[in-house]
Amino acid sequence: GAGVSQSPSNKVTEKGKDVELRCDPISGHTALYWYRQSLGQGLEFLIYFQGNSAPDKSGLPSDRFSAERTGGSVSTLTIQRTQQEDSAVYLCASSPPYLDTQYFGPGTRLTVL
Amino acid sequence: RKEVEQDPGPFNVPEGATVAFNCTYSNSASQSFFWYRQDCRKEPKLLMSVYSSGNEDGRFTAQLNRASQYISLLIRDSKLSDSATYLCVVKGYSTLTFGKGTMLLVSP
Repeated sequence: GAGVSQSPSNKVTEKGKDVELRCDPISGHTALYWYRQSLGQGLEFLIYFQGNSAPDKSGLPSDRFSAERTGGSVSTLTIQRTQQEDSAVYLCASSPPYLDTQYFGPGTRLTVL
Repeated sequence: RKEVEQDPGPFNVPEGATVAFNCTYSNSASQSFFWYRQDCRKEPKLLMSVYSSGNEDGRFTAQLNRASQYISLLIRDSKLSDSATYLCVVKGYSTLTFGKGTMLLVSP
């Protein structure tokens, strides 16, 4: 079946602009996660959605970052007033009910000039 | 102590070699453990879950030592295609915590 999809695959933007990154999880998966990975670094947790519960936003690095998940499916990560240090690969993952295993999308490579 | 700690490597081994990676974690209440594999410029993919009794999947064996809070991954008969970064993953209170990974390079 279809895996996790993310769009765009690459995004180049200018410092100060807002960007929106999209994630389509695997159908039926109730949990959705956003991470970012800078070059040569590990995965940095950003935010976690589980069903209809309030999201765990503890990983968001600043108030310029926000995310929403509509209808328990598609999620959008928004970065306002982008900075050069926001350049990274943004990865989305989803998990089926009652399991911890995460399935990752291919990521969005964000470059802030 | 970092939540999940791994030797970054790289581990350079010839084809056919046996190689082992260790990982330590700080949260003694952790319940779920995994190894993921990440190829260069690709997303992480689940390699195997780690069970308390240890488990094997073909050439790969995972072990968990709760008392010492470490997890290991053993790869036997290394293949060129095993070259990748291996991520140790531990479930915290609600989310997974990923180690920074150990890079493996298998050469002919």
